[in-house]
Amino acid sequence: DAKTTQPTSMDCAEGRAANLPCNHSTISGNEYVYWYRQIHSQGPQYIIHGLKNNETNEMASLIITEDRKSSTLILPHATLRDTAVYYCIVFFGNEKLTFGTGTRLTIIP
Amino acid sequence: DAGITQSPRHKVTETGTPVTLRCHQTENHRYMYWYRQDPGHGLRLIHYSYGVKDTDKGEVSDGYSVSRSKTEDFLLTLESATSSQTSVYFCAISEGPGSGNTIYFGEGSWLTVV
Repeated sequence: DAKTTQPTSMDCAEGRAANLPCNHSTISGNEYVYWYRQIHSQGPQYIIHGLKNNETNEMASLIITEDRKSSTLILPHATLRDTAVYYCIVFFGNEKLTFGTGTRLTIIP
Repeated sequence: DAGITQSPRHKVTETGTPVTLRCHQTENHRYMYWYRQDPGHGLRLIHYSYGVKDTDKGEVSDGYSVSRSKTEDFLLTLESATSSQTSVYFCAISEGPGSGNTIYFGEGSWLTVV
């Protein structure tokens, strides 16, 4: 699986858009970009995934660059409940899905 | 939310005793996984299963065994628990490798080995 690089931590003001970057310069053509988050010690929660096109669902938007070497997860109107660790992962359904250490996002009141 | 139930959710056990954690799914997904999570290490794959009686090792499989006799159940066994196995254990399920299949996680089992 391609490796990813994420900032260790970020802050965002409540009500503003939170933009979480991820670099995956070694991504291969059939690998998807997935985002998960983990709140406190709960199980990781699926957010969104994409291959080439930008994606949007009820939780977030995923913007993937044309060369697919980086992506950004956007939480359009961050709330305090969005404080969590966010993981960016790239894989093609490989059984051995591995997580990095993610970005700790703190929403500031 | 995906139908994943882990049991027990919390357990305290003594060093040297056997422990079995159970993961039960109602989604009929082919793939099931066991991860552990420790401070500073993120999520690490212990074992996974790609079908009934079909299992394989992950990156931290030493000291653990698994079994899957039914599609819906995936058991993780610590034959002789050690303090280094104190951790949070997460089960996950997936339809398997393929175009954008998602992995869903359970809520975790907290194990303390004293």
